[in-house]
Amino acid sequence: QVQLVESGGGLVKPGGSLRLSCAASGFTFSDYYMSWIRQAPGKGLEWVSYISSSGSTIYYADSVKGRFTISRDNAKNSLYLQMNSLRAEDTAVYYCARDPGGLSSSWGQGTLVTVSS
Amino acid sequence: EIVLTQSPATLSLSPGERATLSCRASQSVSSYLAWYQQKPGQAPRLLIYDASNRATGIPARFSGSGSGTDFTLTISSLEPEDFAVYYCQQRSNWPVYTFGQGTKLEIK
Repeated sequence: QVQLVESGGGLVKPGGSLRLSCAASGFTFSDYYMSWIRQAPGKGLEWVSYISSSGSTIYYADSVKGRFTISRDNAKNSLYLQMNSLRAEDTAVYYCARDPGGLSSSWGQGTLVTVSS
Repeated sequence: EIVLTQSPATLSLSPGERATLSCRASQSVSSYLAWYQQKPGQAPRLLIYDASNRATGIPARFSGSGSGTDFTLTISSLEPEDFAVYYCQQRSNWPVYTFGQGTKLEIK
C-alpha cells in the first residue's frame, strides 16, 4: 500500500536551517508529482511547494519563496524540503502529499518543525 | 489566488442528525474541489475528490455536490466518529492548491 513517511523535523532557532525528508513506498514514485503542505498549531492547511515527477518543474508559495528548496531523488524514492532562514511563523507540522485532492491523493503523517529561541 | 470560504465555522449537531457543510470559492474551480476530514493529531483524510466522488473506503453517508463556486459536503446521519474538522481544497489552480479555513463539527 502507498506509504509516505516524513522525517527531519525538530526544534531550531530563528534564522536556522532544517532539511525534511519524505520516504515513499508502495507505488512508482517517479510517476508522481509531489507537494509539501504545512499546518501551524491549531490552524488550517497551507500549500508550501510542488515538484513535478522528473523534478524539472517547481513552484513555491510566496511565504517561503527564496528560503525553501524542494527536491527529489527518484532513485531513492525520496522527497526533500530544505528550509533556510527559518522564522517563528514557519512552525508547523509539515506533510508530504501525492496528488493532493485528486484521485490518487495520499498524505504522510507529518513531521513537526518548531522555530523558537 | 483562489480563496475558499467555509461555513459555518462550527456546527453543533447530535449523532443521527444530518450535517451540511459549505465551501465557496472566490472564482470558479470547475469541479476540482476536494473535502478532507481531520481528527486531532492525525493527517487529513480525503473524503471526496472532484466535488462528488467518494475516495476509496469512505462510507456512503458522505456525499459531495456542487460545481463552479459553491460546494456542499453532506453527512446523511452522523456517527460518533464523524465529529472532527473538515476542510475543502481546490486544485483548479494546480499546482497552487488552496484550502478553506475549516469547519469544526462538534457534538451538541
